[in-house]
Amino acid sequence: DTAVSQTPKYLVTQMGNDKSIKCEQNLGHDTMYWYKQDSKKFLKIMFSYNNKELIINETVPNRFSPKSPDKAHLNLHINSLELGDSAVYFCASSQGTAKSSPLHFGNGTRLTVT
Amino acid sequence: AQKITQTQPGMFVQEKEAVTLDCTYDTSDQSYGLFWYKQPSSGEMIFLIYQGSYDEQNATEGRYSLNFQKARKSANLVISASQLGDSAMYFCAMREWFGNEKLTFGTGTRLTIIP
Repeated sequence: DTAVSQTPKYLVTQMGNDKSIKCEQNLGHDTMYWYKQDSKKFLKIMFSYNNKELIINETVPNRFSPKSPDKAHLNLHINSLELGDSAVYFCASSQGTAKSSPLHFGNGTRLTVT
Repeated sequence: AQKITQTQPGMFVQEKEAVTLDCTYDTSDQSYGLFWYKQPSSGEMIFLIYQGSYDEQNATEGRYSLNFQKARKSANLVISASQLGDSAMYFCAMREWFGNEKLTFGTGTRLTIIP
């Protein structure tokens, strides 16, 4: 059973398009995240939701909009895609009340903008 | 300011040898947790080991152990008896307990095990 699943695995699209990435976790966690990994492998947090409430919103262009319909799902919608948005996007979840709780990551979505 | 520093961008180690991956961190909090993750070439992020700032003993998980030196603010990962399957990127990360829930990652170390 996949704990954190995100779709699609690969996404190739042209500049200016709008795309979405979906994420679901079946671990019963209350906190979910989106991280971006750039071409140099650096992982940077973008957003975090706790029980459907946005708790982290790093300096991310407002073309990126997360949505959490319930605590098991966190989707990422990207408008007007740019070349610089090409990266691997990871969804993750953790039990927010347990500070020692590690993040469990999905397998990533490789976004390529041409 | 960089909160997590991994100074070794790449390392090459002979199979069966032990390897130490360095990680130093910067925080003014007394309560925090340190995590190590492995990212093989297939891309997934695998949690390896956790050390809490108040833990008196160094964490161990199988062949992984954490050399935690609080005064030096270092949390080095030690892999004993390295195997070819250990070749991967390794990331150190920190969560400050009285901040939000995020994990802040270092830049990673690419470990290559030589047969």
